[in-house]
Amino acid sequence: DTGVSQDPRHKITKRGQNVTFRCDPISEHNRLYWYRQTLGQGPEFLTYFQNEAQLEKSRLLSDRFSAERPKGSFSTLEIQRTEQGDSAMYLCASSSPGQIYHTQYFGPGTRLTVL
Amino acid sequence: GENVEQHPSTLSVQEGDSAVIKCTYSDSASNYFPWYKQELGKGPQLIIDIRSNVGEKKDQRIAVTLNKTAKHFSLHITETQPEDSAVYFCAAKIDNFNKFYFGSGTKLNVKP
Repeated sequence: DTGVSQDPRHKITKRGQNVTFRCDPISEHNRLYWYRQTLGQGPEFLTYFQNEAQLEKSRLLSDRFSAERPKGSFSTLEIQRTEQGDSAMYLCASSSPGQIYHTQYFGPGTRLTVL
Repeated sequence: GENVEQHPSTLSVQEGDSAVIKCTYSDSASNYFPWYKQELGKGPQLIIDIRSNVGEKKDQRIAVTLNKTAKHFSLHITETQPEDSAVYFCAAKIDNFNKFYFGSGTKLNVKP
């Protein structure tokens, strides 16, 4: 069990550019979550996948944000036309199908800085 | 939706003392309450959790208590050590829903 991994760990981009982040969950974890965390705040839910199906999206997830999990394994989060307000830590978490309370295990996050 | 409030925002204790962090939640349908520790530059790490059918849970120096009537839960760390210094987050999950609601975090500083 190697834990949840995220790539890249840091991303600096200019306003208006598109960025894509990748999350690899713990193997056999069929549930995958994306959160956004700004400085001094707790994680805020963005979206949830069960296998390849995106079952829930937050209103925080504007039209510029899209997430996929095409084969039910890794997931990508894309932000189009980035804005300075998108600067944050983007966290991915996964949980096991055997966990009735959806106990989540987080990755190290991708820190995005939009200049 | 759920609203989780966490206090205090910062907590400074002397090594060996106890630390207590408190959270309240608003939705009585919440039934699962994990606590996470986040070190600088890292993702949150689960340290302990409690289900709504349990009033208290202990794991070595860490314990969590839950008062369903008052809708609050607390994290207790005894015999604090400098390596306990981090930001701690509480969270709540509503039964039959998928997402977690997090508190705003408590920065714990354990002075040697």
